[in-house]
Amino acid sequence: EPEVTQTPSHQVTQMGQEVILRCVPISNHLYFYWYRQILGQKVEFLVSFYNNEISEKSEIFDDQFSVERPDGSNFTLKIRSTKLEDSAMYFCASRRTPDGSYEQYFGPGTRLTVT
Amino acid sequence: KNQVEQSPQSLIILEGKNCTLQCNYTVSPFSNLRWYKQDTGRGPVSLTIMTFSENTKSNGRYTATLDADTKQSSLHITASQLSDSASYICVVSAGGSYIPTFGRGTSLIVHP
Repeated sequence: EPEVTQTPSHQVTQMGQEVILRCVPISNHLYFYWYRQILGQKVEFLVSFYNNEISEKSEIFDDQFSVERPDGSNFTLKIRSTKLEDSAMYFCASRRTPDGSYEQYFGPGTRLTVT
Repeated sequence: KNQVEQSPQSLIILEGKNCTLQCNYTVSPFSNLRWYKQDTGRGPVSLTIMTFSENTKSNGRYTATLDADTKQSSLHITASQLSDSASYICVVSAGGSYIPTFGRGTSLIVHP
């Protein structure tokens, strides 16, 4: 069964450093998403991406964040200058074309620790 | 402000028993409501998706209900198994905008 994959599973970085989190969505999906979950808190939407551009973004997704689909398979989230409060689990998700199905498939997540 | 409230915050039941989790929302205009199961340290997995016109949807031992008038949903789990131990998250999306509103989840522990 196809699945969303994410790398790395755990990333440790120092405050102020840039990080890139990588995701490979399901191959026939066209809508892509990033979410984050701070330890012990609820999942929060960051950004949605379709047709090589951002569709929607939340207030969390400020100028420090960017997303890219550099090729036909990868979808990345970049944090330019990490802060301690960026420590969280980051989930990528993907969805098929708008055929009436709202189901998203989540990846296993990348745990980002900023020290 | 769009909000999703779930109850109880945590629940402990014995294997084989049934349980019901609640979700109240104030998202407007309503588009769809989803229930997810999230195992510790893993990504959420979709259980059910319901739109405005649907009031019941089942997925194996999971049955979700939706009352769009009272803005309430429930997730009923029958004949619980140890593997049902997880967090169950209610997510509601508004029409016209994809941005979903997540609940905090109900932590379910099934004991043998």
